[in-house]
Formats: sequence, structure tokens, C-alpha cells
Amino acid sequence: DTGVSQDPRHKITKRGQNVTFRCDPISEHNRLYWYRQTLGQGPEFLTYFQNEAQLEKSRLLSDRFSAERPKGSFSTLEIQRTEQGDSAMYLCASSLDRGIYNEQFFGPGTRLTVL
Amino acid sequence: GENVEQHPSTLSVQEGDSAVIKCTYSDSASNYFPWYKQELGKRPQLIIDIRSNVGEKKDQRIAVTLNKTAKHFSLHITETQPEDSAVYFCAASGSNSGYALNFGKGTSLLVTP
Repeated sequence: DTGVSQDPRHKITKRGQNVTFRCDPISEHNRLYWYRQTLGQGPEFLTYFQNEAQLEKSRLLSDRFSAERPKGSFSTLEIQRTEQGDSAMYLCASSLDRGIYNEQFFGPGTRLTVL
Repeated sequence: GENVEQHPSTLSVQEGDSAVIKCTYSDSASNYFPWYKQELGKRPQLIIDIRSNVGEKKDQRIAVTLNKTAKHFSLHITETQPEDSAVYFCAASGSNSGYALNFGKGTSLLVTP
């Protein structure tokens, strides 16, 4: 499968715990994005990377959230001191830098449940 | 920032009829407008997109139109089939929002046989 992959697919945690998610983009894609989706809503942008540089962060990304893409390939999203409001589907997407041509392809998501 | 409004929130059509979903955006600098289809429990899938330098694009039963002056774009599905049933999201991105996609809230389409 050469699409975007995410791990784990599901995560249940207790409030206050830290969680980390991983995203592997399509191999030649240099842009990687994180979105969050709650039930009945469209995905909401969190942050994006061009290669290893984190170029944009949403105001939704509180200081409890941190994302990395150390070698410009896979990325991790960590949430510290989880809260019940963090429960959502966390989606990763990747794209190839072609100017305004910005087709983003999504992974299957990691569903986080905070008890 | 960019604000994308999508209507209707639910749409029910008979198989074979057409379905139209409309979106408006606020940022006149937006230049890329994709549409995604998301089936229950699945990832959003890109089905068609349009750039600001064209007014219409068609791919088999799916077409998208863009009116930059009015800042709205629409998805048209003709000859609908039950497998078209899903949630459809419009999105917009452009130079002011970087490459982030700003999504509408989605339209739940039901195609009944």
C-alpha cells in the first residue's frame, strides 16, 4: 500500500496521560499535514510541514500539542496531559509541492478517546 | 482567516437524479478548491478539485463550477447511484492561509434506490 498510513488506528487513554501518534506520508510527498475531525464536522487544520520544517500552526494547536518531522519523512503528533475535549479523529495528509497544486491525500486516521 | 460555508447539510435524492452541493468562501485570495467524499469510518477521499484559473471541471458524472466574483463553488453529481451515498466536504486554500485546507461542515448525501 503506497498511501498515507497512520498508527495506531485507535487509542483509548485516561485523562492526563500523554499520547503519541505516527504518520507515514506517501513516499515522494514533501508536505505533511495534521488535521482533527470531530463527529459531524469537517477536518480542522492543526499544523503542516514542508520537509522537516514546521511552517504553520493553527490556533487550535495548544501548547499541550507538539508535532515533529525529524527527517522530513514520517511525523509524530504528541498530546500531553490529555483532556476529554481532545477526543477526536486525528487525520494526517500529505502532498507534493507543485505550487498552487495542492492535492492532499489523507490517511485512515487515529481515533482518540479520552476517558 | 478563511471561512467556508456549505449547504445543504443533508440531501436525499432518488437514484438517477442529480445532486448539487454549494459552498461559499470568504478569502478572495483562495485559489484551490477540492472536494472530498467520506464514507462512514473511512478517510476523506479527494474526488475532484478546481483551481482559480478555470471556471468548470468535469470528471465523468462529477463536475465542479467556480465563480470567483461571487466567491462560491459547487459540486454537481449526475445520474446518482446508491454508492454515491456519503458525506461530501468542500474546502478552500490559498496564499493567505498557506497550504492549509479550510473545510466546510459537510453534506450528508443519501441516494435511495
